[in-house]
Amino acid sequence: NAGVTQTPKFQVLKTGQSMTLQCAQDMNHNSMYWYRQDPGMGLRLIYYSASEGTTDKGEVPNGYNVSRLNKREFSLRLESAAPSQTSVYFCASSARVFFGPGTRLTVL
Amino acid sequence: RKEVEQDPGPFNVPEGATVAFNCTYSNSASQSFFWYRQDCRKEPKLLMSVYSSGNEDGRFTAQLNRASQYISLLIRDSKLSDSATYLCAVNWNDYKLSFGAGTTVTVRA
Repeated sequence: NAGVTQTPKFQVLKTGQSMTLQCAQDMNHNSMYWYRQDPGMGLRLIYYSASEGTTDKGEVPNGYNVSRLNKREFSLRLESAAPSQTSVYFCASSARVFFGPGTRLTVL
Repeated sequence: RKEVEQDPGPFNVPEGATVAFNCTYSNSASQSFFWYRQDCRKEPKLLMSVYSSGNEDGRFTAQLNRASQYISLLIRDSKLSDSATYLCAVNWNDYKLSFGAGTTVTVRA
């Protein structure tokens, strides 16, 4: 039982590049989440998916898109990365929020 | 005003001491409350839920004060391993948690 897994663990992008962060869970949870964590700001919800086939915006959705590929997988896409998107990104599942290990993203 | 606010600390305490800190929330319709622990450069992990009547888990005690809209966490007999950042989280629907920015606790030998 791996819980929640995320890839990649680290990524450096240049401004304007695109990338997709992958997340998968093996706990059969319906709901999944993407958060970003910045110093002094706490965890902020980007998007969430209450169940397979549905997605909704969270607190800070601008600049991001998501796909709930199936019950297990929930990906986050940055279409045109900006330095303001430098952050640690956590995927999570379940309303009690089991977190993945995070992706440290730097946008230059 | 932020939905959930915490004193960032740090709280520096000696081993064996008691340390307590609060978290305030703005939405009076909030339904569920949690404390998470986050170690440096790691993901947050659920420490405990907070129930209306208050609850304990070993050396940790959580309290909820709905009238004043805050929750608290008390750690007794602090251990070095308790050094971490403690995040509070609040939700008012089934799906979305709002987190505080965290309170840093450092326990010294």
